[in-house]
Amino acid sequence: GDSVTQMEGPVTLSEEAFLTINCTYTATGYPSLFWYVQYPGEGLQLLLKATKADDKGSNKGFEATYRKETTSFHLEKGSVQVSDSAVYFCALSGNTPLVFGKGTRLSVIA
Amino acid sequence: DTGVSQDPRHKITKRGQNVTFRCDPISEHNRLYWYRQTLGQGPEFLTYFQNEAQLEKSRLLSDRFSAERPKGSFSTLEIQRTEQGDSAMYLCASLAGGSTDTQYFGPGTRLTVL
Repeated sequence: GDSVTQMEGPVTLSEEAFLTINCTYTATGYPSLFWYVQYPGEGLQLLLKATKADDKGSNKGFEATYRKETTSFHLEKGSVQVSDSAVYFCALSGNTPLVFGKGTRLSVIA
Repeated sequence: DTGVSQDPRHKITKRGQNVTFRCDPISEHNRLYWYRQTLGQGPEFLTYFQNEAQLEKSRLLSDRFSAERPKGSFSTLEIQRTEQGDSAMYLCASLAGGSTDTQYFGPGTRLTVL
């Protein structure tokens, strides 16, 4: 079945550091790919998405490119802030239920 | 657009008791999903509705779990004879019909079974 693998955390960075969280997937067909973020005590929020190969999703300085050849959707941000501290989930949707990775906890220190 | 809401936000119960959670989706979203999230894991799909029809159930949804969406608007998830292993965050999401495939999540109901 479909699956998502993302790098294990926690990831601790200093403010203004570069962020990469790796995500790879296994799916039949051509799924849509998502990054969701979960701030402490809150529900999941959509951060960005891409629906076909070579699409780049971006939002709030975060970017991820749908790479069909490497089955990857890595999340990047050039300069993280303390307010980016959260848990990040990579997910795919082939059929409509989402399949999530286990999440990567990011802590950004001032 | 008030977003997806869930009630209650927290529920503490004793093993063996029944609990019921409610989800109100975004108005006019015809698809509604339930997920379960345990500590340190990503959400796992439980079941989904299109309007009032329950179209898919995960094997995670044991016989003690039942979900309804009687009028195609809000949904309830009931767990009978709760067990300590049911302790988790229960998330609801809704999705508009048509070409969009973005699910919007509620804040979740955190269940603790003592």
